Amino acid sequence: DARVTQTPRDKVTEMGQEVTMRCQPILGHNTVFWYRQTMMQGLELLAYFRNRAPLDDSGMPKDRFSAEMPDATLATLKIQPSEPRDSAVYFCASAPNRGRAFFGQGTRLTVV
Amino acid sequence: DQQVKQNSPSLSVQEGRISILNCDYTNSMFDYFLWYKKYPAEGPTFLISISSIKDKNEDGRFTVFLNKSAKHLSLHIVPSQPGDSAVYFCAANSNTGKLIFGQGTTLQVKP
Repeated sequence: DARVTQTPRDKVTEMGQEVTMRCQPILGHNTVFWYRQTMMQGLELLAYFRNRAPLDDSGMPKDRFSAEMPDATLATLKIQPSEPRDSAVYFCASAPNRGRAFFGQGTRLTVV
Repeated sequence: DQQVKQNSPSLSVQEGRISILNCDYTNSMFDYFLWYKKYPAEGPTFLISISSIKDKNEDGRFTVFLNKSAKHLSLHIVPSQPGDSAVYFCAANSNTGKLIFGQGTTLQVKP
């Protein structure tokens, strides 16, 4: 049963600490997205990759966020330093080319 | 700059009646549209999609309508069931593969 796997499911951290969220996309999917769920913006696109190359990361605060795909089986989203306003649920999704995207269960981040 | 907009944060309907969820977009480069459903503590799941070459797509109780001239799409659920209660997201895909979502509409179906 192919699925997108995100770790950790929940993360509580102190302000100023580095946070790393990981995502294993579905095998064979060449497009990977990172979204943040907020009340006002809904599902806000942070960054996306095709064939591991970043295509657009204009949705990310550049000074503190970074997204990478070290290999085809792993995507990471890092926040350094983290701030309370970063508290949200972060979703990873993967898709085959332009087909429908499949989402992971999300990482709930709380920065205190 | 919200390119995909769902202007109704919530909708409440009676079981058995029709639910209509609306979505507007601004970018004429979008050519593929999707609806996702989300339950609490879960990731969004795909529901139905439509290509810009069509104006209607139907799958069981779910129908999506696309009005390109108005840059508007809608999702109809008929008959609505209590299990349909969830947050519904509209999404639009451009030819670059970028997938943009709206703010979501919370649907409550009352028994």
